[in-house]
Amino acid sequence: EVQLVQSGAEVKKPGESLKISCKGSGYSFSSYWIGWVRQMPGKGLEWMGIIYPGDSETRYNPSFQGQVTISADKSITTAYLQWSSLKASDTAMYYCARRPNGFDYWGQGTLVTVSS
Amino acid sequence: IVLTQSPGTLSLSPGERATLSCRASQSAGSSYLAWYQQKPGQAPRLLIYGASSRATGIPDRFSGSGSGTDFTLTISRLEPEDFAVYYCQQYGSSPHTFGQGTKLEIK
Repeated sequence: EVQLVQSGAEVKKPGESLKISCKGSGYSFSSYWIGWVRQMPGKGLEWMGIIYPGDSETRYNPSFQGQVTISADKSITTAYLQWSSLKASDTAMYYCARRPNGFDYWGQGTLVTVSS
Repeated sequence: IVLTQSPGTLSLSPGERATLSCRASQSAGSSYLAWYQQKPGQAPRLLIYGASSRATGIPDRFSGSGSGTDFTLTISRLEPEDFAVYYCQQYGSSPHTFGQGTKLEIK
């Protein structure tokens, strides 16, 4: 069974760093793109970027380029999304999802709250 | 590519037919268009990929059509569990943008 299991909710202060994770199982992790999607409170879905764990090729939405870093460690079948300096406007639910055609499997989401 | 979904909200009754539209600002490229359903507190669920192919386990009352810049999701007979927010996404050109969503509500 294909599963993407994300790390738990985080509460951070502005300026802090954060790395959230997405662990894949039940399929060949290296062979499928993994994407990250942001959903701000009460808002729609935003495509942040995508990584191919097999060779770590990464593509970013220009809106998020330089704001976040997407990475993956295929040895432990885990993808990551990280911030070096969080802002209050980063408060959102973040989903990882597997892409063959569209996103067919999704993680349960990680709620990130940034507040002083 | 900017995706514009219409209407923003659609009010219908169970048993009725729903037609949701997604228009792209330029060609999404050989039907690289997906539709998702999202219910409150849940992750999105893939319904349709390749503009018209149903994802695994999706009932056949859901169908997708269109190509180029104009796409449609049709739900033939609404069931109570179909009332949710629907998003289209193009994945032919990076960034793989989403539409702003259509909320399907019970009339």
